[in-house]
Amino acid sequence: EDQVTQSPEALRLQEGESSSLNCSYTVSGLRGLFWYRQDPGKGPEFLFTLYSAGEEKEKERLKATLTKKESFLHITAPKPEDSATYLCAVPRTDKLIFGTGTRLQVFP
Amino acid sequence: DTGVSQDPRHKITKRGQNVTFRCDPISEHNRLYWYRQTLGQGPEFLTYFQNEAQLEKSRLLSDRFSAERPKGSFSTLEIQRTEQGDSAMYLCASSPPWANDGELFFGEGSRLTVL
Repeated sequence: EDQVTQSPEALRLQEGESSSLNCSYTVSGLRGLFWYRQDPGKGPEFLFTLYSAGEEKEKERLKATLTKKESFLHITAPKPEDSATYLCAVPRTDKLIFGTGTRLQVFP
Repeated sequence: DTGVSQDPRHKITKRGQNVTFRCDPISEHNRLYWYRQTLGQGPEFLTYFQNEAQLEKSRLLSDRFSAERPKGSFSTLEIQRTEQGDSAMYLCASSPPWANDGELFFGEGSRLTVL
């Protein structure tokens, strides 16, 4: 069965302290891996789609990378406004299977 | 530019009552999804419409749950005889035919509390 596992569950960073979030997956025939950001009390917001191993996507302080077994979301010099839960997901037929997310807190 | 709209944003009900949530997708978005999210978990798929056709339904959706999308526009999700385990955030998402894979536009959700 397709599975998505994210780690760590929670991450506390000082402003400017770079780090990475992990998303590992077991799917048959990956058709993409997706990253979303979710602020408290809001719906998830789409960030990136990655299709193949070696692919990278960037947006401001975020960079997503993909290998054959996992994806990383690298956060460079984070700011307090980057605080959110970051979710990864894989497609299964017409729906997305989400991980449980990493709750990121960035302190000034 | 309006996004996906959900109503009500919050609903508190007693066990055994029926509740209905409404979702208005972004104009021209032919795909509409319902997800459920509990605290500390990622969204779980409930059901999917393409236009007015309900194409997929999770086994999480017991016979107490029903969803409709008349005329392929807004959608409703009804929960009958609510149970405390139904307490969750109910998220609606939509996407247009030309969307990138995996790019869903989520509403802000309807939070249900069953007492």
